[in-house]
Amino acid sequence: DIQMTQSPSSLSASVGDRVTITCRASQSISSYLNWYQQKPGKAPKLLIYAASSLQSGVPSRFSGSGSGTDFTLTISSLQPEDFATYYCQQSYSTPRSVFGGGTKVEIK
Amino acid sequence: EVQLVQSGAEVKKPGESLKISCKGSGYSFTSYWIGWVRQMPGKGLEWMGIIYPGDSDTRYSPSFQGQVTISADKSISTAYLQWSSLKASDTAMYYCVRRVDTAMVTGAFDIWGQGTMVTVSS
Repeated sequence: DIQMTQSPSSLSASVGDRVTITCRASQSISSYLNWYQQKPGKAPKLLIYAASSLQSGVPSRFSGSGSGTDFTLTISSLQPEDFATYYCQQSYSTPRSVFGGGTKVEIK
Repeated sequence: EVQLVQSGAEVKKPGESLKISCKGSGYSFTSYWIGWVRQMPGKGLEWMGIIYPGDSDTRYSPSFQGQVTISADKSISTAYLQWSSLKASDTAMYYCVRRVDTAMVTGAFDIWGQGTMVTVSS
């Protein structure tokens, strides 16, 4: 199975900061990479699909990039409502899938 | 409105069986894969398996193969996750998800159920 490694596992940032989260696949997955946001007590929500496409309704401060094995989720200017845990997910080995371990974004 | 509505929280004893459900509405249930995701307390997301209700094609993560059974009844637009003998380590939140596959979106989980909390304790 393809393994997904996220880094860092947690980070502290301030409102207005630029935040970058990385996801690395154990082998090439082309652009079959999706990003989710999960707030405490809630179901995850799709943010980015196909590595760089913004899901409808998601603020434009979120962006994704990468292909092959290395991917990045960027929040250009962190807002109070963005403090959450973020997960990457590979969908290359369809219909099977794997999530990354998650990155918790906390308030500094 | 497209949604997945899951059955309510369960409290069970070790060794008991359990079947939880996920009902889809607002879309063609037989045209999308439905997956299950586990989240143990304080932990990350784990993909368990997936079913295509149109023909019941089912795949499992190696970690969950033989531990759970995924099924679907397309006549009532409902998918299921079941255990024959629960263990304390099955205590977790379980989410069902709709997988979207189009020319632009391949394999993303665009709709999530609200989650079903399963607690296994003696």
